[in-house]
Order: sequence, then C-alpha cells, then structure tokens
Amino acid sequence: DTAVSQTPKYLVTQMGNDKSIKCEQNLGHDTMYWYKQDSKKFLKIMFSYNNKELIINETVPNRFSPKSPDKAHLNLHINSLELGDSAVYFCASSQERSGGAAETQYFGPGTRLLVL
Amino acid sequence: QKEVEQDPGPLSVPEGAIVSLNCTYSNSAFQYFMWYRQYSRKGPELLMYTYSSGNKEDGRFTAQVDKSSKYISLFIRDSQPSDSATYLCATDSWGKLQFGAGTQVVVTP
Repeated sequence: DTAVSQTPKYLVTQMGNDKSIKCEQNLGHDTMYWYKQDSKKFLKIMFSYNNKELIINETVPNRFSPKSPDKAHLNLHINSLELGDSAVYFCASSQERSGGAAETQYFGPGTRLLVL
Repeated sequence: QKEVEQDPGPLSVPEGAIVSLNCTYSNSAFQYFMWYRQYSRKGPELLMYTYSSGNKEDGRFTAQVDKSSKYISLFIRDSQPSDSATYLCATDSWGKLQFGAGTQVVVTP
C-alpha cells in the first residue's frame, strides 16, 4: 500500500565512499523528485524527472547523479561522499501538471544519511 | 535571501489554543501556496493549498494568503497534542516547491 517508498531508511558510511538511494512510487505519477533536508530541517529540491526526463537540476555538486530507469523509479547515486552530505534525502512524486493547477507532491519516508 | 522565510520556532501552546503560523515570500509571481505537515522522522504531507490571495478552511485549519504583502498564514483552532509537528510553508513555481524553514509546533496537554 506504500505510495512512495525509499531504500534504505538509514545509511551510515565513511567519507569518500559511493552510495545509492532507491525510490519507487506506485501512484502512477509522471514526475518524481529528490529533496535534501539538512539538520535545520530546511528542505530543498535537488532534481526532478518527468517521464524519465530530467526537468529540474538545481545547483547540486556533480557527485550527485539521479537516474530514472522508468517513471515509477528514481534513484540517487552519490560519489565520493563528504561530511556535508549528511542529511535526510526525500523522494517525492506528483501527477503531471495540467491547466496550471497545483499538484500535490507525495513524499517518501526519507533516507537518513550519515557520513563519518 | 531565501525565497520563502519562516520562523523555525519552536512554538509551544497549550491544548485547545489557536496556533498561528506565518511565512513571507519574495517573488510576486508565485501563485500557489501550500502548507505541509511533517511529523518527527516522517516525510512531509500536504495539509492545505491555496491559489492566489484569499482564505481556505478545512476543519480546524485555515490558510490565508495576502499577495499584496506577500504573507502566508496557517491557523489551527482547538489545537490537539496530535498537531505537534513541524509545519512547512511552500510556494509552487511550476513543480518546483520552495519551502520555508519549517516551524516546530508543540501542543502540550
């Protein structure tokens, strides 16, 4: 029944390692997102994909690379992890905007990344 | 300067009180305004959204937008301990949500 799921929920790793976070949505949505929430709870968009096409790419180090194998999945790969990458990463999905109406973004439970 | 400014709190109120939350935003082109609620260690969930200026009411929750002063408000009447959460305001610019810092609300029994 889970609408937006992420794995893993927790990730503890050493600086310099490479790690991936996976996201899946079963809502039939066309658009998926990655957000980063820092220790002060500030939530900032990183990437957005619509039907497997990258449409939003914020100012994010190129160590972060999203990949969307199909419209139900959006993964995030992080190379050469740094201490400052420690945060909670949220995946979200929404239906494609139509007629200018706002869309509801549904968030996953988050992946808590701690880089030591 | 952030696009959306919000006082992070915490805001502590007794059960039954009215909770008043506010945000300001900088871009007058924003048309959609949302309030998300985030419980501890969970993802945000949409609480309410409004389009342009005006009020919207849903049960104990009322959202207000004043575009002339670029001010967004959320009021929670008859607050309950279950309302204890972080409330994030957001504006929607063609799918790109710009969030405020979130205000932590604690409702004490």
